[in-house]
Amino acid sequence: AQSVAQPEDQVNVAEGNPLTVKCTYSVSGNPYLFWYVQYPNRGLQFLLKYITGDNLVKGSYGFEAEFNKSQTSFHLKKPSALVSDSALYFCAVRDITGSNYQLIWGAGTKLIIKP
Amino acid sequence: NAGVTQTPKFQVLKTGQSMTLQCAQDMNHEYMSWYRQDPGMGLRLIHYSVGAGITDQGEVPNGYNVSRSTTEDFPLRLLSAAPSQTSVYFCASSYSSGTQPQHFGDGTRLSIL
Repeated sequence: AQSVAQPEDQVNVAEGNPLTVKCTYSVSGNPYLFWYVQYPNRGLQFLLKYITGDNLVKGSYGFEAEFNKSQTSFHLKKPSALVSDSALYFCAVRDITGSNYQLIWGAGTKLIIKP
Repeated sequence: NAGVTQTPKFQVLKTGQSMTLQCAQDMNHEYMSWYRQDPGMGLRLIHYSVGAGITDQGEVPNGYNVSRSTTEDFPLRLLSAAPSQTSVYFCASSYSSGTQPQHFGDGTRLSIL
């Protein structure tokens, strides 16, 4: 069965330090992977995606994600965290069993950046 | 501003009542979808539409109906509200069914007493 796991409910990082939000997946075939961010009381915003090609994907707001096929991971990273990065982050993988472009979502990781 | 608009933002219902959550987009997107978000869980797809006049069920469709009479609007109807439907509901859109959700509304926070 296809699945996505975000092993950390919460990640705490000091402002200016690098951050990593972890995501692992289980799919048959080549994965399509996504990261979204949700700010308080707002809808989700698309950050970046991996379909094929370079394992390091760059996205919005200075975020990037590294696809690692051998470890079945797609961790979200940023070199220097900002307080404004504090939000809920969701990893998702495309559900290839359906006839349409539907996503399987992780449970989310709350990122807290402390000044 | 262009985007996905959801109304109302908050709603409290009694068990057994019905209501409609509104969703409208002004980007001429073909694909629209409804999700519910519950604490500690990822988003779950309720219903989706690949174009006007076409709708289909997602992962958790029971207790909900949808229609898509125009490209812009995709309302979600709760037929007889139950406490298990207490959740935050998000509408999303994308220009086609061949890509990921691109724009989300700000959500409707629904409580069923």
